[in-house]
Amino acid sequence: GESVGLHLPTLSVQEGDNSIINCAYSNSASDYFIWYKQESGKGPQFIIDIRSNMDKRQGQRVTVLLNKTVKHLSLQIAATQPGDSAVYFCAENKETSYDKVIFGPGTSLSVIP
Amino acid sequence: DVKVTQSSRYLVKRTGEKVFLECVQDMDHENMFWYRQDPGLGLRLIYFSYDVKMKEKGDIPEGYSVSREKKERFSLILESASTNQTSMYLCASSSLVGRGYTFGSGTRLTVV
Repeated sequence: GESVGLHLPTLSVQEGDNSIINCAYSNSASDYFIWYKQESGKGPQFIIDIRSNMDKRQGQRVTVLLNKTVKHLSLQIAATQPGDSAVYFCAENKETSYDKVIFGPGTSLSVIP
Repeated sequence: DVKVTQSSRYLVKRTGEKVFLECVQDMDHENMFWYRQDPGLGLRLIYFSYDVKMKEKGDIPEGYSVSREKKERFSLILESASTNQTSMYLCASSSLVGRGYTFGSGTRLTVV
């Protein structure tokens, strides 16, 4: 069936380095993608979103890239900090549809001081 | 600061008990959702609601029911709690169809 998946379940990076978290999706009808951050003991928190008419979107220290050709989504975190340690989820759906959002399984990011 | 508030962070219940998990949002969102989160299984949708008194089954509705009598409140009910319902339960809301969700902090339920 349709699914959203992450290539790497865990990622360890040195503080100050850039982090890249990847996500593959299979539903070509999806046109809206979201990244969430979930810290230990908390609910997921919206980080950044992107629509399918864009290839790149930047936020504060974060950039999301969308490659529709290979159905790939990535989250880049610049100058990773200890506070970035969390599980990151990608999610996809069709923006104007009542179809449910599909969440990926999550990648655990650990920042080494 | 917008909020989705779940009434309990931790809950321990006995097998067979009827359990109520409450969720309240202060953002006037139309859409509300209940998920459970388990290691290795990710987020799974239990029920959702796009309007007051309206409810739709998600992927795993068995053993659960919901109530949405007011726009701001969405309750998840475990009719007869079982040990396989031990999980983290997350409530979420959104203002528009298909847009980003605001999640609550979660309720970690243990059924013994």
